Amino acid sequence: EVQLVESGGGLVQPGGSMRLSCVASEFTFSDHYMDWVRQAPGKGLEWVGRTRNKARGYSTEYAASVKGRFTISRDDSKNSLFLQMNSLKTEDTAVYYCARVPRDSRYVDYWGQGTLVTVSS
Amino acid sequence: DIQMTQSPSTLSASVGDRVTITCRASQSISNWLAWYHQKPGSAPKVLIYQASSLESGVPSRFSGSGSGTEFTLTISSLHPDDFASYYCQQYHTYPVTFGQGTKLEIK
Repeated sequence: EVQLVESGGGLVQPGGSMRLSCVASEFTFSDHYMDWVRQAPGKGLEWVGRTRNKARGYSTEYAASVKGRFTISRDDSKNSLFLQMNSLKTEDTAVYYCARVPRDSRYVDYWGQGTLVTVSS
Repeated sequence: DIQMTQSPSTLSASVGDRVTITCRASQSISNWLAWYHQKPGSAPKVLIYQASSLESGVPSRFSGSGSGTEFTLTISSLHPDDFASYYCQQYHTYPVTFGQGTKLEIK
């Protein structure tokens, strides 16, 4: 069974930084594009960004709301996905989900359980 | 960005009812649309991809249709487990965008 386990969430002050990690198992991580998706408390889903695989040069895409502040990276040797978040704002408070994109499409077929990031003074 | 608009925002129904949720895109997305459902405190799960393809393991009471700018998700006979929030997602153009969600409540 595909597993995605996020970690690194917690409380951070506005303007601060935080790095989230996601460890994947039970599939060939290096083959897949990977997403981060977030959900503010009581709100809907918001796509944060995507990293493509090695064949596509590990290129990335971002939502306008995080572009220039957030960076997605991956380490295929460790089956790991990362989200570096800088210049955090209160509106970045959300549960952050790591998500897998299937090889033959571009939707999300598996989600992690999420990690809560709270930006507050 | 492509805007995705779901209707209704809230839907009250009973076990056994047939329900339909609509998702409209602000421009054509062909059939690059997925549907997800989410229960409180849990991660979303995919139901439908490519507008009408049922994800493996998803019950056949769920179905999707549409192309271009208008799409529907239909549940043919509601089970107790189906009371949750539902989201559409377009993956035709970056940035990927979600609808605002539809909460399906027990009447």
